[in-house]
Amino acid sequence: EMQLVESGGALVQSGGSLRLSCAASGFSFSIYTMNWVRQAPGKGLEWISFTQLSSSITDYADSVRGRFTISRDNAKNALYLQMDSLRAEDTAVYYCVRDHLWAFDVWGRGTLVTVSS
Amino acid sequence: QSALTQPPSASGSPGQSVAISCTGTSSDVGRFDYVSWYQQQPGKAPKLIILEVSKRPSGVPDRFSGSKSGNTASLTVTGLQAEDEAYYYCCSFAGNYRWVFGGGTKLTVL
Repeated sequence: EMQLVESGGALVQSGGSLRLSCAASGFSFSIYTMNWVRQAPGKGLEWISFTQLSSSITDYADSVRGRFTISRDNAKNALYLQMDSLRAEDTAVYYCVRDHLWAFDVWGRGTLVTVSS
Repeated sequence: QSALTQPPSASGSPGQSVAISCTGTSSDVGRFDYVSWYQQQPGKAPKLIILEVSKRPSGVPDRFSGSKSGNTASLTVTGLQAEDEAYYYCCSFAGNYRWVFGGGTKLTVL
């Protein structure tokens, strides 16, 4: 069974840092592009970051560019999101998402990040 | 990148059909045939139900269909069932590895 499991969400103060992890299983992680998508409480989905197969190409939404860094370790089947200079508006459930055939076909259950001001 | 525009709510009775629109721009929906739709039940992760405008992943009922005209994509649910009550989100590729989602539509089965 294909599975993505996020971890690392926590309560953190504004200006702080947090590193999210995503463990992949049930598929060949190294051949898929991966993304992070977040959802603020009671709000819609927001794409925030992408990484190609080897982290050589990455991209970010304007809302997190310069503060968040996506990376991956294909040997460990893991995706990461380093989040710095956190703001209250970063409070959300963060989903690790596989990208295939121009759609997000496998989602994790998400991990909650709460930024207190 | 601005979010795609969806109606906040839609509704229909069991057995009826309902369509949900998703309006973008010539830079996203209008430019690429990479529009997808997701169903999200309360407290759960989104689930892919339509990809590349109108294709259904394996296991998704054929009651769900997608289309696109110009800068607007649409999701149609025919033969509404109680289990279809959920939030629905559209998403479009926006170029340069970027994606944009719609604000979401709450579908209520009356």
